Amino acid sequence: ELKVEQNPLFLSMQEGKNYTIYCNYSTTSDRLYWYRQDPGKSLESLFVLLSNGAVKQEGRLMASLDTKARLSTLHITAAVHDLSATYFCAVDNTGANNLFFGTGTRLTVIP
Amino acid sequence: DTEVTQTPKHLVMGMTNKKSLKCEQHMGHRAMYWYKQKAKKPPELMFVYSYEKLSINESVPSRFSPECPNSSLLNLHLHALQPEDSALYLCASSQGPTVYNEQFFGPGTRLTVL
Repeated sequence: ELKVEQNPLFLSMQEGKNYTIYCNYSTTSDRLYWYRQDPGKSLESLFVLLSNGAVKQEGRLMASLDTKARLSTLHITAAVHDLSATYFCAVDNTGANNLFFGTGTRLTVIP
Repeated sequence: DTEVTQTPKHLVMGMTNKKSLKCEQHMGHRAMYWYKQKAKKPPELMFVYSYEKLSINESVPSRFSPECPNSSLLNLHLHALQPEDSALYLCASSQGPTVYNEQFFGPGTRLTVL
């Protein structure tokens, strides 16, 4: 079974600081997605990474994918309070039409 | 229209009740999904419909019964639920199995079973 691990599980950081969330997965896949979830809300799609070396940036967030290392990163630059949320990576189980979600990283940005 | 809608937003039901959750999308997507999410956990896949046919059933108890009346609609029929079934139920859709699988999620139904 495909396993997806994120670390850290919890991240408390000060505004203005940089940090990286890591997503490791256990089987071959070249499709990975990042989602954001605010408390009590649904999941919002952030990034779609479809090939080795893919890099996407939106505002203070940048996501990358290394399919050979089976690793994706979500880098936060100069964090602001509005980024506080839970972030999930999800790996495409190619051919099976479903996603495997990581454990989630709960990010709290402290003023 | 790039939205997945779900009704109701909140549902409280007793263990003997029968209720249904509804999901709708008008993006022309051919795959639709039901997930269950407990607090502080990732979504757990329950069912996948691909081209209106059930393609994945993740060993979900029979008290949950999915239905896909057409390519835009997805229902989840609930009967004789248990308190541990209380959770956020999320519907999602994607273009389908032959293209990349970015899923778009609805706002969810918060279910409480008394």
